[in-house]
Amino acid sequence: AQSVTQLGSHVSVSEGALVLLRCNYSSSVPPYLFWYVQYPNQGLQLLLKYTTGATLVKGINGFEAEFKKSETSFHLTKPSAHMSDAAEYFCAVSPKAAGNKLTFGGGTRVLVKP
Amino acid sequence: KAGVTQTPRYLIKTRGQQVTLSCSPISGHRSVSWYQQTPGQGLQFLFEYFSETQRNKGNFPGRFSGRQFSNSRSEMNVSTLELGDSALYLCASNSGTGGLETQYFGPGTRLLVL
Repeated sequence: AQSVTQLGSHVSVSEGALVLLRCNYSSSVPPYLFWYVQYPNQGLQLLLKYTTGATLVKGINGFEAEFKKSETSFHLTKPSAHMSDAAEYFCAVSPKAAGNKLTFGGGTRVLVKP
Repeated sequence: KAGVTQTPRYLIKTRGQQVTLSCSPISGHRSVSWYQQTPGQGLQFLFEYFSETQRNKGNFPGRFSGRQFSNSRSEMNVSTLELGDSALYLCASNSGTGGLETQYFGPGTRLLVL
């Protein structure tokens, strides 16, 4: 069975500082990998996804993530935090054969300090 | 193009009752997936429907069921409600035509069981 671990349930960053959210997965074969963001009282919005090919993936709102097979990681970064980045972020995986069945990590809530 | 619509947005029920939640996917999308989000268990996959057939199923008891209509709208039903069923129920849609596709999430239905 697949599992996803997000290190740190809460992260506090200063506006303009680097945002780094960690995600590690457990899977016998590399799955598809995703990062979603959830703003209060809203559903999930896809930030970026990795399927195959280039291991550095760029997403929306200046976020990017790097797939490292040897480390089974897919960490999310943004060079400069903005107040609007305050939200909860979820890493998710999907087995390549399972289509639309996502397994999510526990989430990381980001607080941005002015 | 209209997004994913979920109704109702908020619901209060008492233990032992049953509840039906509705999801209208994006026009043209044929796949609908349902997820439960709770503070304790996080985001968990319930099931996926494609062309009126259940295509994937998560690890939930039989009290949780769903269906999909010919217009792709989907409903999920929870019978004999328990306090632990209090959660945000999210539905996601995609075209379902195969391969990996972006899932578009609705705003969710927040269910409170008293």
